[in-house]
This record gives sequence, C-alpha cells and structure tokens, in this order.
Amino acid sequence: RKEVEQDPGPFNVPEGATVAFNCTYSNSASQSFFWYRQDCRKEPKLLMSVYSSGNEDGRFTAQLNRASQYISLLIRDSKLSDSATYLCVVEYGNKLVFGAGTILRVKS
Amino acid sequence: DGGITQSPKYLFRKEGQNVTLSCEQNLNHDAMYWYRQDPGQGLRLIYYSQIVNDFQKGDIAEGYSVSREKKESFPLTVTSAQKNPTAFYLCASSPRTGESPIYFGEGSWLTVV
Repeated sequence: RKEVEQDPGPFNVPEGATVAFNCTYSNSASQSFFWYRQDCRKEPKLLMSVYSSGNEDGRFTAQLNRASQYISLLIRDSKLSDSATYLCVVEYGNKLVFGAGTILRVKS
Repeated sequence: DGGITQSPKYLFRKEGQNVTLSCEQNLNHDAMYWYRQDPGQGLRLIYYSQIVNDFQKGDIAEGYSVSREKKESFPLTVTSAQKNPTAFYLCASSPRTGESPIYFGEGSWLTVV
C-alpha cells in the first residue's frame, strides 16, 4: 500500500457545486495532516492543517478519520479560482509525505 | 519580506555537468528540504536537514548532494550521476521536521540538453 494515496481525478464540476476529495494513508502512527494547493507550474501552498476534531476555513472543511486512516477535503460553492491540484500531506516521523494530488477543474 | 528564495528559476544543463541550485530562507526555520517533481507526478523527497551541519537522505538521494553550513542556506547539487535530472526542484523549510507544515520556494526548472 502506498504511504499516501489520492484519486488523481480530474474532478470536473460547475461553479457553485460542492466537491469532496479523500486521501488514505498507511501509517497509523501519523499525527499531522495537511492539505496543499498547487497551481500549474507553481509551488505548492498550504491550504489548511487537518485537526482531529475537523476544521473549517470559509468554504473549505477538512476532516480526519483515524479508524479508517483517511482525511477528506470538502469545498463548498466552488469558484473558478478553485481550479488547481490538491495535495494531501501526511507526517511520517521526520518527514512529510505528499500524495500525487487530485485535479479539480471548476467550469462556468 | 520573509520567505524562501530559490535560484535560478530556469537552468539548462549539458549532460555530464554538475549544477548547483541555491536555496535561502530568512524565516529562521531549523529544517530545510529539497523535493523533486516530475510532470503529472507527486513530490519526492531528495534530502532534508534538521539543523546546521546535519542532513539526511530522502527517498531519491542518488545523484544529488547537499550542504548545510548556515541555517539560512541549503544548496542542492545535481551531479552527472543523476540519470534523469530534468524536473521541477522545490526547496522548502519548516520550524521543525515532521509535525509542522512546510513552506516552499518558487522552484527551479532544470532541463538537460
């Protein structure tokens, strides 16, 4: 099993839609989790950390399910500017392991 | 402005040449990292450093070398031993390894011609 797995997509959604991505991880001892956003040919940027109790930042909601070893990202009211690749990131000891990313395309 | 500066942004290398990518941060972070990204693929860790004068190999260290003589600087040398060096190289830093998020520079595009 890969350390971090994501559905590569692409997810093609209309503006205003709600879309959710899941990410699974293999290390039950992992304690820190993050979502990053990467635009084409740019560096990844931190979108949000994922906390055990779940957390929300505006239209974005992140959740952690330790029992099933997955994290999720929910985007409500999608905007054209949300089009990007979303990277799931999981802590493995001294390093962060990045998933290959899920492509989101929001269309008008 | 605080941040991570990578240079050069674009670099062309002839086969058999070594090249060095620069990475400087003024965030006072202890940890620094080098990742490689190939088109349509995820990031792979090359080397990381938790403290000055110390660094560890990541998942794909063969053909690369680093140094950490100053807290602010973590240069990466791509040697001629690296078989497929054409890629997007990303430097990052964080207050400490593992539990904190990391922050990236704008990246360096290396092409072998």
